[in-house]
Amino acid sequence: GAGVSQTPSNKVTEKGKYVELRCDPISGHTALYWYRQSLGQGPEFLIYFQGTGAADDSGLPNDRFFAVRPEGSVSTLKIQRTERGDSAVYLCASSSNGQGIKDTQYFGPGTRLTVL
Amino acid sequence: GQQLNQSPQSMFIQEGEDVSMNCTSSSIFNTWLWYKQEPGEGPVLLIALYKAGELTSNGRLTAQFGITRKDSFLNISASIPSDVGIYFCAGLWSGTYKYIFGTGTRLKVLA
Repeated sequence: GAGVSQTPSNKVTEKGKYVELRCDPISGHTALYWYRQSLGQGPEFLIYFQGTGAADDSGLPNDRFFAVRPEGSVSTLKIQRTERGDSAVYLCASSSNGQGIKDTQYFGPGTRLTVL
Repeated sequence: GQQLNQSPQSMFIQEGEDVSMNCTSSSIFNTWLWYKQEPGEGPVLLIALYKAGELTSNGRLTAQFGITRKDSFLNISASIPSDVGIYFCAGLWSGTYKYIFGTGTRLKVLA
């Protein structure tokens, strides 16, 4: 079946602009996660959705970052007033229900964001 | 944010050689996972470990959950060129969903 998909695959923007990154999770997965991966580093947690609600947004770096999942499926990560330090690969993952140690997270290919 | 320590950072090996890498943490985890990431792709799960001392294989890959629950090891036997990539460990505390990733081990296989 289809895996997690993310669009766009690459996004180049100018400092100060607004960007939206989209994630389509695996069909039927109620849990969705956003991670950020800086160059040469492992992914770092940003936010976790259970259904439509953000159950944990403790990883969002500041209030310029916001994410939504209005219908419990597709999610959009929104970044306002982008800064050069926001440049990274933004990964989305989904899992069956977000509960239990065997609830494996499956990752999308990521969106590479470059802020000039 | 918190990242687990992985070593080595990078490895250049000859095709056919065995590879060992490890991951350590200052915290105890209840689950250890190993992912592989290739350029332009997201991490792909290789092995998941759920009990201290557990040894699990997936083809030529073998991983172990350290008995202290603060470390994990991944071995690749008889490496082949398609093993090239970055290998990440990740830890998970019981009752949580927030994967804590390692810094990665970059593997290059010379044919």
